[in-house]
Amino acid sequence: IQLTQSPSSLSASVGDRVTITCRASQGISSYLAWYQQKPGKAPNLLIYAASTLQSGVPSRFSGSGSGTDFTLTISSLQPEDFATYYCQQLNYYPLTFGGGTKVEIK
Amino acid sequence: QVQLVQSGAEVKKPGASVKVSCKASGYTFTGYYIHWVRQAPGQGLEWMGWINPNSGGTNFAQKFRGRVTMTRDTSISTAYMELSRLGSDDTAVYYCARSSTSLYSDYWGQGTLVTVSS
Repeated sequence: IQLTQSPSSLSASVGDRVTITCRASQGISSYLAWYQQKPGKAPNLLIYAASTLQSGVPSRFSGSGSGTDFTLTISSLQPEDFATYYCQQLNYYPLTFGGGTKVEIK
Repeated sequence: QVQLVQSGAEVKKPGASVKVSCKASGYTFTGYYIHWVRQAPGQGLEWMGWINPNSGGTNFAQKFRGRVTMTRDTSISTAYMELSRLGSDDTAVYYCARSSTSLYSDYWGQGTLVTVSS
């Protein structure tokens, strides 16, 4: 299963609403996760089952979608949110990741 | 608290093998899968496979079958990933991560840089 993330990068300001999309090459129900990765660090699980917020993750992060189209939304971008975001599908083997979306400071 | 602590960086020659360890603490080791994910320099994430520490059962990405071995030692709560016949394109940071049977990786190791160079 191929996951296509868009955009591959974006520039935004603190306080902006940011939306990242992830499209699957075939339906994956709701078996999708979102991770945040900062330079030199391991990924951090933000959202699982497409829309469930992982414990400890700020409520400004939200996920939606099912089937082939998914979105990750950051309602009000904070300085610590500048990072790369990856989606991952867990419906089919091999588990696969999207190519990533780098969120940079405008 | 849950921790996954990986072994240190490695430098290997082409054709050699590397074995990376991942020591778990703060939870019941046999209750969660251990996944291995790698990331080449400046690139995205690539899932390699998982091991069920309880049964020893494994599931690998087809790309790595025949070249990867995943094992565990439950007595010391440690999982291992061995990759053989290394090539320059195996240069990457290798991460271990735990998941329940739902497969979502909620805790990750710090990563181990493996450099393949002649």
